[in-house]
Amino acid sequence: DTEVTQTPKHLVMGMTNKKSLKCEQHMGHRAMYWYKQKAKKPPELMFVYSYEKLSINESVPSRFSPECPNSSLLNLHLHALQPEDSALYLCASSQDIYNEQFFGPGTRLTVL
Amino acid sequence: GQSLEQPSEVTAVEGAIVQINCTYQTSGFYGLSWYQQHDGGAPTFLSYNALDGLEETGRFSSFLSRSDSYGYLLLQELQMKDSASYFCAAYNYGQNFVFGPGTRLSVLP
Repeated sequence: DTEVTQTPKHLVMGMTNKKSLKCEQHMGHRAMYWYKQKAKKPPELMFVYSYEKLSINESVPSRFSPECPNSSLLNLHLHALQPEDSALYLCASSQDIYNEQFFGPGTRLTVL
Repeated sequence: GQSLEQPSEVTAVEGAIVQINCTYQTSGFYGLSWYQQHDGGAPTFLSYNALDGLEETGRFSSFLSRSDSYGYLLLQELQMKDSASYFCAAYNYGQNFVFGPGTRLSVLP
């Protein structure tokens, strides 16, 4: 299995909702990442987990809360989002930090 | 701060060779990667340079010069399917990864 899966593919939520994005990989990778990508812009790193420990939090607002239950799973919990948070949220994994990153297809999030 | 620069657009014809440049200004630079992204798709890894010099992978090659803070991606024998956005990405110490603004490549028949 050489892919990263993400669910859901699309998500529409109101500003008062709580939702979660999920990411899974079965390649034995020990580093996992969350990126945010706006249309026609590059991916922006949000969080990095290395060996299931959060190692990077790129000054992301607290309304985004990451969780790494085990080495194969990565969640992003969303609460009280703003319309400007609407974007494509990409999950990626790599064998270790500084290795090739494999990206999932992303979750397209719309906040109303 | 950390910044990368790339041309915003490049156009070439099928069968041609195109070079996409990337200059970077980052602290704690570790290496430079290149990713391809088709419209509506996810980024796909193409190449990585941690050392100066040329890395070749099939039709794609990537070059890095640390002393010049410069790299490029070379695409040979262009095909229509190569039309996509190409991002350079700086890997920095401290597990920080910064993507360049992207270059949109259009391959014409």
